[in-house]
Amino acid sequence: TQLLEQSPQFLSIQEGENLTVYCNSSSVFSSLQWYRQEPGEGPVLLVTVVTGGEVKKLKRLTFQFGDARKDSSLHITAAQPGDTGLYLCAGTFQGGSEKLVFGKGTKLTVNP
Amino acid sequence: KAGVTQTPRYLIKTRGQQVTLSCSPISGHRSVSWYQQTPGQGLQFLFEYFSETQRNKGNFPGRFSGRQFSNSRSEMNVSTLELGDSALYLCASKRQRGTEAFFGQGTRLTVV
Repeated sequence: TQLLEQSPQFLSIQEGENLTVYCNSSSVFSSLQWYRQEPGEGPVLLVTVVTGGEVKKLKRLTFQFGDARKDSSLHITAAQPGDTGLYLCAGTFQGGSEKLVFGKGTKLTVNP
Repeated sequence: KAGVTQTPRYLIKTRGQQVTLSCSPISGHRSVSWYQQTPGQGLQFLFEYFSETQRNKGNFPGRFSGRQFSNSRSEMNVSTLELGDSALYLCASKRQRGTEAFFGQGTRLTVV
């Protein structure tokens, strides 16, 4: 069974601070996605990474995929209250089905 | 183009009853997956349908079932409801060969 570990589980910061959240697995990902979810809503896709070492940017968000494709990070620069939400990583694994496996998420609160 | 549509948004049922939830995927998407989200367990995969066939299945009891119609719309059914079935049920659609999943807003099921 492939598992994804996300850390930290909770993060509360002040507006303007930077932060990084992590996603790790003992298995190699075929692809990895990051989602953001607000309470009572479905997850919204932020980015997909597939190549080891890949870096993608989305405004103030920077996503990195590890060289070995077993880990990923999401870095937010100058966080804003609108960044508040649950950040989820999800992946499909080499040799497995296309079933998307989710981590339990990082709950981010950005205080004004 | 229209996103993933789930109905109903909210549902209250009594223990022992059964429930049917509906999902209409993004136009042109042929894969529909269902997930259960609870605070303690996060997002857990229920099953995936592609072209009316179940392609993957998670570790849920047989009380959870689903189907997909020729127009790609999907339904999931839960029989003999238990209190522990209270959760946000999310549906996601994917393109034929892509791995990016796009989620609906979910159905909040409360079992009393």
